[in-house]
Amino acid sequence: DTAVSQTPKYLVTQMGNDKSIKCEQNLGHDTMYWYKQDSKKFLKIMFSYNNKELIINETVPNRFSPKSPDKAHLNLHINSLELGDSAVYFCASSQFLDSSYEQYFGPGTRLTVT
Amino acid sequence: AQSVTQLDSQVPVFEEAPVELRCNYSSSVSVYLFWYVQYPNQGLQLLLKYLSGSTLVKGINGFEAEFNKSQTSFHLRKPSVHISDTAEYFCAVSAASGNTGKLIFGQGTTLQVKP
Repeated sequence: DTAVSQTPKYLVTQMGNDKSIKCEQNLGHDTMYWYKQDSKKFLKIMFSYNNKELIINETVPNRFSPKSPDKAHLNLHINSLELGDSAVYFCASSQFLDSSYEQYFGPGTRLTVT
Repeated sequence: AQSVTQLDSQVPVFEEAPVELRCNYSSSVSVYLFWYVQYPNQGLQLLLKYLSGSTLVKGINGFEAEFNKSQTSFHLRKPSVHISDTAEYFCAVSAASGNTGKLIFGQGTTLQVKP
């Protein structure tokens, strides 16, 4: 069973479109994260949620809106996609909101904006 | 605020040779330190972490790292690498208190193991 899953794995879309990426974890964790990995493999946190409450919002444009319907899911909706949004997006989860606990990463969603 | 610098972007090494991947960090508060590995087309996996206590930390797949507070370093080592160790390695840091779960990653080091 996959611990942290993301759909879709690949997403190709045109500028200006709106798209969503879904994330689910079956580990019983109460904290989930979204990270963005750019073309140079630099990895940066975007958001974190703890018990469905937004904890971290790292100066991400308003076009990005995370939504956590329950503790096991954290989806990422992106409006008006831009070329610079092309990246690999990783979802992660941890048992508690405490970085001493391991973060488990999903396989990533490669977003290509044309 | 914390920051991480991985001093080598690429490290080529022959199979069965030892390897060291270097990581320096900057922080005004106590930190936790981590090494993650990313195999091609996969997510990240934790190799090891330093929270407190012994400065020598052992992780999975034969890796170990040493926390050096005076030099603000957390270098990753393996005495004998395998082809399967070819991957991207990320050093990360987080504040040890006031926790938000936020990890700050370095730029990554590509380990290329050659036969």
